[in-house]
Amino acid sequence: EAGVAQSPRYKIIEKRQSVAFWCNPISGHATLYWYQQILGQGPKLLIQFQNNGVVDDSQLPKDRFSAERLKGVDSTLKIQPAKLEDSAVYLCASSLTSAEAFFGQGTRLTVV
Amino acid sequence: SQQGEEDPQALSIQEGENATMNCSYKTSINNLQWYRQNSGRGLVHLILIRSNEREKHSGRLRVTLDTSKKSSSLLITASRAADTASYFCATDARDDYKLSFGAGTTVTVRA
Repeated sequence: EAGVAQSPRYKIIEKRQSVAFWCNPISGHATLYWYQQILGQGPKLLIQFQNNGVVDDSQLPKDRFSAERLKGVDSTLKIQPAKLEDSAVYLCASSLTSAEAFFGQGTRLTVV
Repeated sequence: SQQGEEDPQALSIQEGENATMNCSYKTSINNLQWYRQNSGRGLVHLILIRSNEREKHSGRLRVTLDTSKKSSSLLITASRAADTASYFCATDARDDYKLSFGAGTTVTVRA
């Protein structure tokens, strides 16, 4: 069974530039999550989708971050413009409702 | 803010010893899950315990859940060097199904 795919694995950008991350969840998983994990901290939920609807985006900085999940499958997370404090690993995960989440390897973003 | 909080923040033990870490949370849950993260890698699911369960085992792992105290514990028995990792609890909230993680416990197993 294919796992959660994320790309790119690494990205270095300058502050004020824009960046986009892509996630392909496990087939059939209705729930998709985007987390931000700063070094030494636990994953922070940015946005959670159920199919293509948003369950929660209360911790998504909406002035600069946006996310979409087209047709309830793939998802993209965008940051525009990036700040230094956005340097983190961005993790995508998917699950069946109220079940274990499967994580991708993440995208390590460095903003310089 | 994080829903779950792990305790201790860090733990160092000798190979063969047991490791115990705790998680406290704030709101009613559907289930509580434990994950492991090796340095620089993705999170791996270890075990899920539902709100109507009190204890669950999986290999060398034992998880307990006390919903009256809003707390859970993870016990790793007969630890190995390969158990060196960060361990996170995650709660699936009953009212909104958000999956929220704590700050984690970093476990170091010394050979």
